[in-house]
Amino acid sequence: ETGVTQSPTHLIKTRGQQVTLRCSSQSGHNTVSWYQQALGQGPQFIFQYYREEENGRGNFPPRFSGLQFPNYSSELNVNALELDDSALYLCASSANQGSRNEQFFGPGTRLTVL
Amino acid sequence: AQSVTQLGSHVSVSEGALVLLRCNYSSSVPPYLFWYVQYPNQGLQLLLKYTSAATLVKGINGFEAEFKKSETSFHLTKPSAHMSDAAEYFCAVSGRLSGGSYIPTFGRGTSLIVHP
Repeated sequence: ETGVTQSPTHLIKTRGQQVTLRCSSQSGHNTVSWYQQALGQGPQFIFQYYREEENGRGNFPPRFSGLQFPNYSSELNVNALELDDSALYLCASSANQGSRNEQFFGPGTRLTVL
Repeated sequence: AQSVTQLGSHVSVSEGALVLLRCNYSSSVPPYLFWYVQYPNQGLQLLLKYTSAATLVKGINGFEAEFKKSETSFHLTKPSAHMSDAAEYFCAVSGRLSGGSYIPTFGRGTSLIVHP
């Protein structure tokens, strides 16, 4: 059974650019959630996708957007990057919208915005 | 609304000593509570979870936590610390989104330092 994978591992962008981060969910999981973890902070919920539809969103602006594909992999897109977007971006997959089920986290993508 | 407060950004113990990491929560509905561990350059791994069954929850690696409703607490303990326990620990409370899914709200984390 393959766990949650994310790519790339590290990324450096400049302010104003756009970035796409990718996540492959664990086998059998139909739900993917994205989190932003700033240095020294806990993860902050960005949004969740369930069966290719956005199922919930945290307090993030519209320039944070996402997709989920038929194989339940997912992308996080961030437009017009700002310095404060520098963080570790975590993807987590779960079965059936999470409910009481465990979310399995990937290793994250470290984004640095210069 | 839900929130989590982790008391102490750093906790330092000697190897073999008791580990106690504190977590207090606020939730408008009966909460689901979680403890996660994060090792350097890795994602989060679930240690244990409380979902309204037994109030004393046992997790992996010898950790356990007790849900105390009267104190709104869910402190994490381990009788004897090991060097490999050094990591960042996050407490989280889960609330239900309108779509039916449960999304955890995380605390700021507590860094556990274990001295030889």
